[in-house]
Amino acid sequence: DARVTQTPRHKVTEMGQEVTMRCQPILGHNTVFWYRQTMMQGLELLAYFRNRAPLDDSGMPKDRFSAEMPDATLATLKIQPSEPRDSAVYFCASGLVPENTEAFFGQGTRLTVV
Amino acid sequence: AQSVTQLDSQVPVFEEAPVELRCNYSSSVSVYLFWYVQYPNQGLQLLLKYLSGSTLVKSINGFEAEFNKSQTSFHLRKPSVHISDTAEYFCAVSGAGGTSYGKLTFGQGTILTVHP
Repeated sequence: DARVTQTPRHKVTEMGQEVTMRCQPILGHNTVFWYRQTMMQGLELLAYFRNRAPLDDSGMPKDRFSAEMPDATLATLKIQPSEPRDSAVYFCASGLVPENTEAFFGQGTRLTVV
Repeated sequence: AQSVTQLDSQVPVFEEAPVELRCNYSSSVSVYLFWYVQYPNQGLQLLLKYLSGSTLVKSINGFEAEFNKSQTSFHLRKPSVHISDTAEYFCAVSGAGGTSYGKLTFGQGTILTVHP
């Protein structure tokens, strides 16, 4: 059963600490997205990769956030240093473009920064 | 650039009643349109999509949506809802080509609550 896997599912950390969220896209997919979901802002696109190359990271605060794809089976989103306003659910999604327009979402990482 | 507006943040309805969740979009390029559903503490799941062809698209669980280009709308409907349809529904748009292909822009979501 192919699915997007995100780890950890939950993370509580103190302000100022580094946070790393990981995503394993569906095998064979060439596109990976990172979204952030909050009550106030809804779903915001943070970064978007195609064939491991970043296409758009304009939604990401550059001073503290970084997104990478070290290989085709792993995408990472790092926050350093973390702040309470980063508390949100972070979703990774993958897709196969152009063959399929659907994005498949992981279960999300619920981040709480205290 | 694209944007999506979901006109209702919450829609309460009784079981077996019909429901419509409204979605309008704006875009300077051709688009694909989607409805996703999110159950509590879950990721988003695709409900249905419009790419081209027939403007009326249907899901396997009784939902349907109609693409209206002149009104830039993609409203979601179901003639008779069940308790299990209680969830948050997101309308989304992506560009139909170039680097925006596959990049989803979401609306703010509509919480559908079905009461017995």
